[in-house]
Order: sequence, then C-alpha cells, then structure tokens
Amino acid sequence: DAGVTQSPTHLIKTRGQQVTLRCSPKSGHDTVSWYQQALGQGPQFIFQYYEEEERQRGNFPDRFSGHQFPNYSSELNVNALLLGDSALYLCASSLSLTGIHQPQHFGDGTRLSIL
Amino acid sequence: AQKITQTQPGMFVQEKEAVTLDCTYDTSDPSYGLFWYKQPSSGEMIFLIYQGSYDQQNATEGRYSLNFQKARKSANLVISASQLGDSAMYFCAMKVDTGRRALTFGSGTRLQVQP
Repeated sequence: DAGVTQSPTHLIKTRGQQVTLRCSPKSGHDTVSWYQQALGQGPQFIFQYYEEEERQRGNFPDRFSGHQFPNYSSELNVNALLLGDSALYLCASSLSLTGIHQPQHFGDGTRLSIL
Repeated sequence: AQKITQTQPGMFVQEKEAVTLDCTYDTSDPSYGLFWYKQPSSGEMIFLIYQGSYDQQNATEGRYSLNFQKARKSANLVISASQLGDSAMYFCAMKVDTGRRALTFGSGTRLQVQP
C-alpha cells in the first residue's frame, strides 16, 4: 500500500525564482493538503485540494498556488521566491468523506532552500 | 480560531521510563479532534494517536496513551517504556468539525531518550 510520496526530496533555488513541488496521495485518498514547516516550528497550513479545486486556504499570499489532477496528485507552486520561503514542505492526504477522526497521512516532505 | 500550545521545547527521559508530553488547546468549536504526530529527523510526520472531543475514554495505542482533560483543555501524550527509537519531535495538533478541516499544530517538543 503506497503511502504519500513527494518529489523532489531537496531543492535549492535563488530569490525571485519559481518552484513546483509534487505530491502523490496515499492510495484511496482523494484530498491533499499542503503545509509549510519552518525550521524549529510546527507545520502551517497552506491550502487543501479536493475534486481538483482549492477548498480551504491558510494565511499565505497568492504567490503560493496549487493544482490537483484527476488522479488526485497535486502540485504546489511558489512564485517570486523569498528567503523566508526556505522550509520543509509537507503534503498530507486524507479521504474527504470520513469524519474528523481520520488522521491525515504525511509524506517525507520537500526541503526547499532559498539562496 | 484554534490554537495549540506545547510548553516543553525539549524533554529527556531514560530508556524504559515513562514520559508525559504536554499539550493544551483552545477552540470554541464543540466538535474537534486531537492528534499526536511523531517527526523523526527524516521529516515524515507519523500519526500516533487520536482523541475526539466527545470520546468518554482516554485513547490508547500500544505504548501511547492520551490523558484527555476536557475541562482543562489539555491532551497530554504519555509514552510508556521509552525506547531509543522514540527520540524525535512530537507535535500535538487539532482539527475542528466546522469549516476548514486542516490541522492546527503546536510548536512541538523534542524528546531525547537516553540509554
């Protein structure tokens, strides 16, 4: 049973560039959430995708955008990168029709460094 | 808005001893779920245990148990018989049953198990 997979594992970019991170959800899951985890902090919710639409969004600027494909996989795009965007980006998947008791399953994350 | 507070940045425990990691929460929603995740240095968030706001009994999962005190708004994680492999960051998180079903995380506690 394949878990949540993310790519790439590590990425180095410079300020002003754009980046795309990818996520494949756990088999059977249809909802994908993205989180940003700065060094030494807990993850912060960016947004959630279900049925190929952004359903919920955290307190992140429009530079952060995403997409969900028909196979439920998802991309996170960040434009005009800032030094403060350096973080671990975590993807989590879940099944939409289940209650709040169902945990989100996380991938290993993509570690993004901005120079 | 929801808030999770973890007041212990770091904890030490001897191998085979029990340890309690503190978590307090704040929400006005009557229906919510509380989760504990373990994050090893590799970055993956591993789900440990869940407690629902309406659950009458404290949750248990193997060596993990959750000391849920609803009136105090606390949900402490107890790890019994600590093992060296338990050394990691531990995050308390909450999800409410209205609106956005994203997880709100605390700042985490770093647990180090000593031989």
